[in-house]
Amino acid sequence: ETGVTQSPTHLIKTRGQQVTLRCSSQSGHNTVSWYQQALGQGPQFIFQYYREEENGRGNFPPRFSGLQFPNYSSELNVNALELDDSALYLCASSLDRGQGTEAFFGQGTRLTVV
Amino acid sequence: QKEVEQDPGPLSVPEGAIVSLNCTYSNSAFQYFMWYRQYSRKGPELLMYTYSSGNKEDGRFTAQVDKSSKYISLFIRDSQPSDSATYLCAMSLYSSASKIIFGSGTRLSIRP
Repeated sequence: ETGVTQSPTHLIKTRGQQVTLRCSSQSGHNTVSWYQQALGQGPQFIFQYYREEENGRGNFPPRFSGLQFPNYSSELNVNALELDDSALYLCASSLDRGQGTEAFFGQGTRLTVV
Repeated sequence: QKEVEQDPGPLSVPEGAIVSLNCTYSNSAFQYFMWYRQYSRKGPELLMYTYSSGNKEDGRFTAQVDKSSKYISLFIRDSQPSDSATYLCAMSLYSSASKIIFGSGTRLSIRP
């Protein structure tokens, strides 16, 4: 196990609702990234937080937002859920943004939008 | 055109065979090249990473990067049933842990 924990593991929401996913990073890690993995696809980068500041964003609309807390845990919020938001959401933590670091992934939250 | 192209498979080989997995990419600025393994219902785990061009070996695994051809490969020698998983190639401009662009993954099955 990587030490990165995500909650909940599974979630079913209705289209138009809002959802909050949580990630507890590995001890000592100050960087958290979120990825969306649709079925049969590779993970897609949503955004990254470094010391509580957003530090880069992929091609996702503003209804995807996040937070990083002083203890470096993080939340992903998605507003106005759409059917296409159904996916595995992965959180990855790393020590910093420098070279030679490794991103450790959690097991993900499986979100189903109906 | 996707930034990273990877054959989704599935690929099925007998135990002990040499497995070759490949990806092509379009962005010549990528500097970090990774291979992840993802078991069913788990998050990806890093197998190997390479900075810039060249080869890297770790046990039964060898990663190759050819930046002139925008082509990367992963070779698995003496494949085992426990190697059965989805293999994701991945790349980044910034570091091996930051803003990673993944391929779609190749599903590999090793037959006993």
